[in-house]
Amino acid sequence: RKEVEQDPGPFNVPEGATVAFNCTYSNSASQSFFWYRQDCRKEPKLLMSVYSSGNEDGRFTAQLNRASQYISLLIRDSKLSDSATYLCVVNLYYGQNFVFGPGTRLSVLP
Amino acid sequence: DAGITQSPRYKITETGRQVTLMCHQTWSHSYMFWYRQDLGHGLRLIYYSAAADITDKGEVPDGYVVSRSKTENFPLTLESATRSQTSVYFCASSGDRGNTGELFFGEGSRLTVL
Repeated sequence: RKEVEQDPGPFNVPEGATVAFNCTYSNSASQSFFWYRQDCRKEPKLLMSVYSSGNEDGRFTAQLNRASQYISLLIRDSKLSDSATYLCVVNLYYGQNFVFGPGTRLSVLP
Repeated sequence: DAGITQSPRYKITETGRQVTLMCHQTWSHSYMFWYRQDLGHGLRLIYYSAAADITDKGEVPDGYVVSRSKTENFPLTLESATRSQTSVYFCASSGDRGNTGELFFGEGSRLTVL
């Protein structure tokens, strides 16, 4: 079993749609959790950290379920500019050993 | 400008040649990382460093060598390049424990081994 698994995708959705990405991780000792965004042929960039209580940043909502070892990302009112690959990232210890999921590609269509 | 920079951005080399990819960060971050990204594999950790003169292997270290004599630099060397090392290489850095844990990436170095 891979350490971090994500929906295989790709997701093709119309503008304005709501889309949800799922991620599971295998190591119950994982400490911190993130969603990164990667545009085609670019470097990954932090989209948001994921906190135990859940957190929201504008149209983006992240949830963490430690018991189920599950992380989610919800994007509401999708924009064309949201088209990218979304990477789920888990960290065992602060500052080291970040483990990346394979990513889920999103295409928002006009 | 502050940030993390990689060089060269693009490199074509031949099998058996030595190649060094450079990485420089200006934040004085303790942790630095080298990843490779290939279709079907996602980002895989090659080596990381917790501080100057401290390095450790990641998931796919074979065929690579790193050093970290200064906090700001973390070069990656392919001692004898192979075609399977054709990839996009990303350097990244992260601050100390207690920060957000965010990884900051360089723009990547695209290496082709013929």
